[in-house]
Amino acid sequence: SQQGEEDPQALSIQEGENATMNCSYKTSINNLQWYRQNSGRGLVHLILIRSNEREKHSGRLRVTLDTSKKSSSLLITASRAADTASYFCATASFRGYSTLTFGKGTMLLVSP
Amino acid sequence: DAGVTQSPTHLIKTRGQQVTLRCSPKSGHDTVSWYQQALGQGPQFIFQYYEEEERQRGNFPDRFSGHQFPNYSSELNVNALLLGDSALYLCASSLDTSEAFFGQGTRLTVV
Repeated sequence: SQQGEEDPQALSIQEGENATMNCSYKTSINNLQWYRQNSGRGLVHLILIRSNEREKHSGRLRVTLDTSKKSSSLLITASRAADTASYFCATASFRGYSTLTFGKGTMLLVSP
Repeated sequence: DAGVTQSPTHLIKTRGQQVTLRCSPKSGHDTVSWYQQALGQGPQFIFQYYEEEERQRGNFPDRFSGHQFPNYSSELNVNALLLGDSALYLCASSLDTSEAFFGQGTRLTVV
């Protein structure tokens, strides 16, 4: 079963704009991770944020986590055509070791 | 570091047949997890291996089984294939509760 839900399901923007994707989940978590997937290939790990962290940055990526609302957001600044992909959030529970529960993903299209 | 490698990349099998997929984890990682991703969906957890034992299992039937070898590599076996088993099968390796690194996946088509 899917734990989280990403919103929106699809997002279309122009190069240079910012893209924001949201993720909601249902149960308590140890950490939340964001992944990118190009054209149904493997998942690329983007960033991990632990339950005691509120914000994390990595290059053009900014992730926030609000455990009280059970939600997270991924911001990609100054987007590029190469950012076109599906983005998934995945949660790891305290008792689940490193097993991940994924949402259905957000498809991001960045047009030149 | 070669990262997580999976083989084969693509596979076509007939209903009722059996299939074995292989995964080599990232160097230094001792935990291997398998996921099934149907078209348009997020990956779903199948099972996880640690110290050559199945540590956790998702909601998949017993037709799905696995193995982990002493070098931490792993196999996923699916018996009595159904059309609905057609999917991208992803292997992920990790160390404890750190981030999971995924391979490129094996695209299985059952006809």
